[in-house]
Amino acid sequence: QVTLRESGPALVKPTQTLTLTCTFSGFSLSTSGMCVSWIRQPPGKALEWLALIDWDDDKYYSTSLKTRLTISKDTSKNQVVLTMTNMDPVDTATYYCARTDYYGFPWFDYWGQGTLVTVSS
Amino acid sequence: EIVLTQSPATLSLSPGERATLSCRASQSVSSYLAWYQQKPGQAPRLLIYDASNRATGIPARFSGSGSGTDFTLTISSLEPEDFAVYYCQQRSNWPPGSFGGGTKVEIK
Repeated sequence: QVTLRESGPALVKPTQTLTLTCTFSGFSLSTSGMCVSWIRQPPGKALEWLALIDWDDDKYYSTSLKTRLTISKDTSKNQVVLTMTNMDPVDTATYYCARTDYYGFPWFDYWGQGTLVTVSS
Repeated sequence: EIVLTQSPATLSLSPGERATLSCRASQSVSSYLAWYQQKPGQAPRLLIYDASNRATGIPARFSGSGSGTDFTLTISSLEPEDFAVYYCQQRSNWPPGSFGGGTKVEIK
């Protein structure tokens, strides 16, 4: 059974750095093809893909946000971490992590429940 | 970057009616398009992948069609649980990304 769960602060101040953790089970990021992405959704707005890390530790970032994002993984802990620097109120959103299998099923087939991050002083 | 445009933004229909949602890509994505359903307070759920294949457990009333730049999601007869927001997403290049702006299907 595949599950993902996001965790991190609910509130951050402008200019601070956000660190989010995705803890997953039911698959391993050391398995060829496995990938985890971060996707966000501002209140009442559309989904926005942010970053992806794959089994081979290759990392991909949204063009518009790449200077602010860092994605990393700890395979032994089944965790993926996203950091976003210089947070702004427009970054207020629900942040999701989701799985894809590059070789088997390259779509977002499993999602976490999301974590709401509010940026406010 | 490929831009996905969904229309209409809102669709007001009654249970039992047919829903037709559109997704247009700014350049060809072949058949590398998916549809997701999102209900309030929930994560998106994959409905359709590769333009026309239903994901596991998705009822037959959901169908997808199209290729290249024009895609359609059809719900043949709306059930009460189908009123939600629907997003398309493409993966014609890697990594996957580019979601559309969404279509809200609301009860008329």
